[in-house]
Amino acid sequence: GAVVSQHPSRVICKSGTSVKIECRSLDFQATTMFWYRQFPKQSLMLMATSNEGSKATYEQGVEKDKFLINHASLTLSTLTVTSAHPEDSSFYICSATDRDRPAGADTQYFGPGTRLTVL
Amino acid sequence: GDSVTQMEGPVTLSEEAFLTINCTYTATGYPSLFWYVQYPGEGLQLLLKATKADDKGSNKGFEATYRKETTSFHLEKGSVQVSDSAVYFCALSRMNYGGATNKLIFGTGTLLAVQP
Repeated sequence: GAVVSQHPSRVICKSGTSVKIECRSLDFQATTMFWYRQFPKQSLMLMATSNEGSKATYEQGVEKDKFLINHASLTLSTLTVTSAHPEDSSFYICSATDRDRPAGADTQYFGPGTRLTVL
Repeated sequence: GDSVTQMEGPVTLSEEAFLTINCTYTATGYPSLFWYVQYPGEGLQLLLKATKADDKGSNKGFEATYRKETTSFHLEKGSVQVSDSAVYFCALSRMNYGGATNKLIFGTGTLLAVQP
């Protein structure tokens, strides 16, 4: 149980285009979803937190208009990288929590990640 | 602010060797502490957690004890296997007063390579 999927797993796009990444909780309702960015040989950096039906809360330094997050349902959140540039190339990971699980609301379940390459 | 520091890797061990990956944290109050593992090509998986001082989290032969006096949460395993090769992340989280989820703060990750 507690499976989170991401699609696509890899995407290559041209500079200036927009890319949408989906994050789904497959067997539970995700009350909160998180988006992270992971640079090579570095830790995960939280980009934003989103609750279903409300606006995402972005971390300091993350451009809201650049990284659009939509959490339209309890099982789906999307991250859209708008007007992507090579410096946006990274590994993007989502996670979700389920306050009804025995592990507790502070336990996050992670997706496998999406590798974005902007040419 | 809150932070997590863990030992740099890679850590290279022979099969059946004893493993320790050090993790220390800086935080006010009483955060929950976690170890996550990332196997090659996969997402992060929760390995174990502890929510209060002196708690010991354990799973799959791994264990870690929440030490408030030393602000540490070191990961140990008595006998590692090749299949344990992965990146291990230490993290902390704090619940807000409303009981809703708070964010995780991760260490930089430690690559463990176990050789046959």
